[in-house]
Amino acid sequence: KAGVTQTPRYLIKTRGQQVTLSCSPISGHRSVSWYQQTPGQGLQFLFEYFSETQRNKGNFPGRFSGRQFSNSRSEMNVSTLELGDSALYLCASSQGGGGTEAFFGQGTRLTVV
Amino acid sequence: AQSVTQPDIHITVSEGASLELRCNYSYGATPYLFWYVQSPGQGLQLLLKYFSGDTLVQGIKGFEAEFKRSQSSFNLRKPSVHWSDAAEYFCAVGPNQAGTALIFGKGTTLSVSS
Repeated sequence: KAGVTQTPRYLIKTRGQQVTLSCSPISGHRSVSWYQQTPGQGLQFLFEYFSETQRNKGNFPGRFSGRQFSNSRSEMNVSTLELGDSALYLCASSQGGGGTEAFFGQGTRLTVV
Repeated sequence: AQSVTQPDIHITVSEGASLELRCNYSYGATPYLFWYVQSPGQGLQLLLKYFSGDTLVQGIKGFEAEFKRSQSSFNLRKPSVHWSDAAEYFCAVGPNQAGTALIFGKGTTLSVSS
C-alpha cells in the first residue's frame, strides 16, 4: 500500500511569508504527527492530530499550527516565517491505537531566506 | 523533564565488527522506547520498539536492543555491521505504543569502514 506522502518535497520562502505543508497518511490511519528536524535541535515534536482533533502538542510558538481533515490528510502552517524555521518537516501516520507503528514520510525541506 | 540522550554523536565501525549505540532516557511515566534509522534524504524507519515484557527486543535488519530500567538505558546492538548500515540512528521515547508524540535523542551517525 502507498506510504506517507508529503508535499511539496522542497520549498523556498522569504522571511515574513507564511507556508502550508501537506501530509497524506497511509490509508486507514487516523493519527498524523508532525516533527521539525534541524541540525542544531534535532527532531522535535510539533503536534499530533487524531480524528480531526489535536491530541498532543509540543513546545512551539503559535506561529506553528495544523489541522486534519475528515479524510485524515493533515496540513501544517507556519506564519511569519523566520530564518530559524528552515528545517526538514516530517510527518508520521499511525492507526493511533496501541501497538501500532508510526510510519514517516520523506519530509518537506523548507528553506527560509 | 522528559529527555533522551545519545552520548555518541558519531561512531565509526569496521565492516563485520559489532556495534553498540547508547541511549539514556528520562521519562516520568512508563516509557515506550523506540529506535529509528534515517538514511540521507529519507524519512525515519522503525528498527524496533519496547513496551513491556522481555527486556531484550529483536528488530529488523539484525538489530536488537536491551532495556535496563535501573540504568534508564535502551542500547542498540548489532553483532556484525554491514556497509549498508551506515546511517543516522535515533532513540526515542513516547507516551504510547503507537509511537506518536515522540521525544527523540539528537542521533548518532554511524560510519562503516571497509
